[in-house]
Amino acid sequence: SQQGEEDPQALSIQEGENATMNCSYKTSINNLQWYRQNSGRGLVHLILIRSNEREKHSGRLRVTLDTSKKSSSLLITASRAADTASYFCATVLNTGGFKTIFGAGTRLFVKA
Amino acid sequence: DTEVTQTPKHLVMGMTNKKSLKCEQHMGHRAMYWYKQKAKKPPELMFVYSYEKLSINESVPSRFSPECPNSSLLNLHLHALQPEDSALYLCASSQEGLAGAYNEQFFGPGTRLTVL
Repeated sequence: SQQGEEDPQALSIQEGENATMNCSYKTSINNLQWYRQNSGRGLVHLILIRSNEREKHSGRLRVTLDTSKKSSSLLITASRAADTASYFCATVLNTGGFKTIFGAGTRLFVKA
Repeated sequence: DTEVTQTPKHLVMGMTNKKSLKCEQHMGHRAMYWYKQKAKKPPELMFVYSYEKLSINESVPSRFSPECPNSSLLNLHLHALQPEDSALYLCASSQEGLAGAYNEQFFGPGTRLTVL
């Protein structure tokens, strides 16, 4: 199965509300990254959090990492209709080369 | 220039055709990637090139053949594909970080491939 698993699979909220997405992984990691993808487009990098960090902020985004629970969360505050997209966590495994594995993703829909 | 470009945007090919997907970046990144993404699924890693050498091949069928002619270019040669190979093919690049681990990846917009 995929290294990163996310929940919820889909999330529908009103504009202005906060959205929280969670990601769990199985093996030790060097870093964990969050990406956003608008429908049928390329992915855009949002935040990278290293294994020795617990929390990171970027604008309306807040990412936490709990390596003891092998989990991370992405919080988007004061959501906007333009935040509607799929959000993926990605972990990097050292398998002799560095391999990136994406979680299943959360599809966020923000209603105006 | 912080962009990864991919051509073509769309490609329709028959099972007997030979075609190539192209990817280019001018950010000085030394790691480049090919991913395959089916609808409503996450990207799946296919190949990783590091310093123009293939470092990861995720057991991809030989009908997909990657090539890295120089540090800015990445190609994916396609031959005798199957309809189930229809997908969005994404290229990405990144700098190598500490201890060789890769930093954030910059993605191109993808090539939408349809195999008839």
